[in-house]
Amino acid sequence: DAGITQSPRYKITETGRQVTLMCHQTWSHSYMFWYRQDLGHGLRLIYYSAAADITDKGEVPDGYVVSRSKTENFPLTLESATRSQTSVYFCASSGNQGRGDTQYFGPGTRLTVL
Amino acid sequence: RKEVEQDPGPFNVPEGATVAFNCTYSNSASQSFFWYRQDCRKEPKLLMSVYSSGNEDGRFTAQLNRASQYISLLIRDSKLSDSATYLCVIEEGGFKTIFGAGTRLFVKA
Repeated sequence: DAGITQSPRYKITETGRQVTLMCHQTWSHSYMFWYRQDLGHGLRLIYYSAAADITDKGEVPDGYVVSRSKTENFPLTLESATRSQTSVYFCASSGNQGRGDTQYFGPGTRLTVL
Repeated sequence: RKEVEQDPGPFNVPEGATVAFNCTYSNSASQSFFWYRQDCRKEPKLLMSVYSSGNEDGRFTAQLNRASQYISLLIRDSKLSDSATYLCVIEEGGFKTIFGAGTRLFVKA
């Protein structure tokens, strides 16, 4: 009954460090997404994936890397963290994206880059 | 013009009031429409989909006006528990889903 989980829930790191945010879903959804949410902005798509080994850039991909070797996992890596990447990161999944199916969100990771 | 625009609020209403939010979108080819709810420091959750004919779920009514390119959400008999941020979500097709910045609602006793 886990649904979609994210780890860690909170992370503080320093500029220049590599950070990986984990996302895991138990529904076998094909589609997975990473968003960031900042004050004054709606959720902005960083990367998405239509299936294992298929990923593509969203609206704000610079500075981020993703992989999807297994359907259930979709990690997001900040290769060299910057202060502008301080944000709340949400992972989401969907069974039938683009055809009116809803997206289900994880609880989010609050990342602070000092 | 922003792709999706919402009045950020906040809307401050007493319990029992009726409150309405609008959301405009710029792409006339947009395909699917939703309202999500987001509580403070929590993840967004689907409140309801929005259909062309309008749809109702208890105290909540959603409508779509394709000609004027907006969707609306009406909340009747507001409860304290309705206090949240309401996100307008527009699916343009494929993987392009656009989230509005949200409208904050505070319901007071």
